[in-house]
Amino acid sequence: GESVGLHLPTLSVQEGDNSIINCAYSNSASDYFIWYKQESGKGPQFIIDIRSNMDKRQGQRVTVLLNKTVKHLSLQIAATQPGDSAVYFCAENAQGNKLTFGGGTRVLVKP
Amino acid sequence: ETGVTQTPRHLVMGMTNKKSLKCEQHLGHNAMYWYKQSAKKPLELMFVYNFKEQTENNSVPSRFSPECPNSSHLFLHLHTLQPEDSALYLCASSQPPGHPMTDTQYFGPGTRLTVL
Repeated sequence: GESVGLHLPTLSVQEGDNSIINCAYSNSASDYFIWYKQESGKGPQFIIDIRSNMDKRQGQRVTVLLNKTVKHLSLQIAATQPGDSAVYFCAENAQGNKLTFGGGTRVLVKP
Repeated sequence: ETGVTQTPRHLVMGMTNKKSLKCEQHLGHNAMYWYKQSAKKPLELMFVYNFKEQTENNSVPSRFSPECPNSSHLFLHLHTLQPEDSALYLCASSQPPGHPMTDTQYFGPGTRLTVL
């Protein structure tokens, strides 16, 4: 039969605008969350992380927000640049050093 | 990407071949991981090694055989693979459980495997 690829939601954003990527996680016991960026032909690259005792953490041009009530995580990228075009994954950790990954969101930056 | 390296970057093999994937980390970590990334599924954990000991086998078929000779090196030996095993195989490393930074995993560039 024909193979069906994993359908990734896609976010198209104009260069210079802000991007918001959302992620719903499943395990209420998860106490650590992490965002990765994966460019074509490369492995996932660490962007930013947050622990469950926080609801917001800022990095350089990126902010992660955590809403434990609704088990929602978001990544905000300020002033999106062409180099931000990639697939973004969230991951959660509820046990030891085992991460559970989401399906990913593709970000396309239009010049 | 120089923290975690993987070789080869691309591999094409027949179903009767035997090949090995290699991963090396230069981060001083003591935990290493193999993941499978295919077009059909999200990133899947395959194996976890902590201090050279395998602590997780996520129901991986025996045609995949990992080996961790020391904390810096991890291998994935492949034999009698199927076409559906074609995927990107990613290695990662982190500090081991008990370390405050155990959760943060750093990935290599992956090996793109095609099974004919």
